[in-house]
Amino acid sequence: DSGVTQTPKHLITATGQRVTLRCSPRSGDLSVYWYQQSLDQGLQFLIHYYNGEERAKGNILERFSAQQFPDLHSELNLSSLELGDSALYFCASSVGLAGGSDTQYFGPGTRLTVL
Amino acid sequence: AQKITQTQPGMFVQEKEAVTLDCTYDTSDPSYGLFWYKQPSSGEMIFLIYQGSYDQQNATEGRYSLNFQKARKSANLVISASQLGDSAMYFCAMREGPGANSKLTFGKGITLSVRP
Repeated sequence: DSGVTQTPKHLITATGQRVTLRCSPRSGDLSVYWYQQSLDQGLQFLIHYYNGEERAKGNILERFSAQQFPDLHSELNLSSLELGDSALYFCASSVGLAGGSDTQYFGPGTRLTVL
Repeated sequence: AQKITQTQPGMFVQEKEAVTLDCTYDTSDPSYGLFWYKQPSSGEMIFLIYQGSYDQQNATEGRYSLNFQKARKSANLVISASQLGDSAMYFCAMREGPGANSKLTFGKGITLSVRP
């Protein structure tokens, strides 16, 4: 158990819908990262938050947005869903301080299926 | 160019034997970190081992060790005394930059199957 929690574990929805994925980082971690894992694209970085502020964006679609709340949990919002958005979405957290490995620990993932 | 390259096809190893999973990387940043993660069929991503670019010694964590050859830009994972539970997908990843708060770039992964 990495200490990172993600809900829900599975999500099945229809095209055009909107969903929210939730992540709680490990205790003491300030950084939260979101990644998408699909068969064709592999593991892709989406977005990074540090202590409530957006720090970096990767290959994140405009239909997707995220935020990190004062209690440091994060939510990834996916809207106008398309079949191609079906994937495993990971949240990862790290301490966020320089001087060490700053290892990212991953949550169990949310498997999204868009029908 | 790909930043992380894992080109081995599915790997097979006999239980209790050692196996090496290859990873090469590409970066112009002098400061970087290399990570290996394990993804079993259940889907979670499990951190295994870390190597910093300035680390003088190869990293070790239990049965896992990292064969770090900086000049060749390779960071191969060695699993000793393989167990059936080692059957999984293994990903090499890199963080570029001197410190924290940088994304990971992943390779495509290698499937390892351990035979009894």
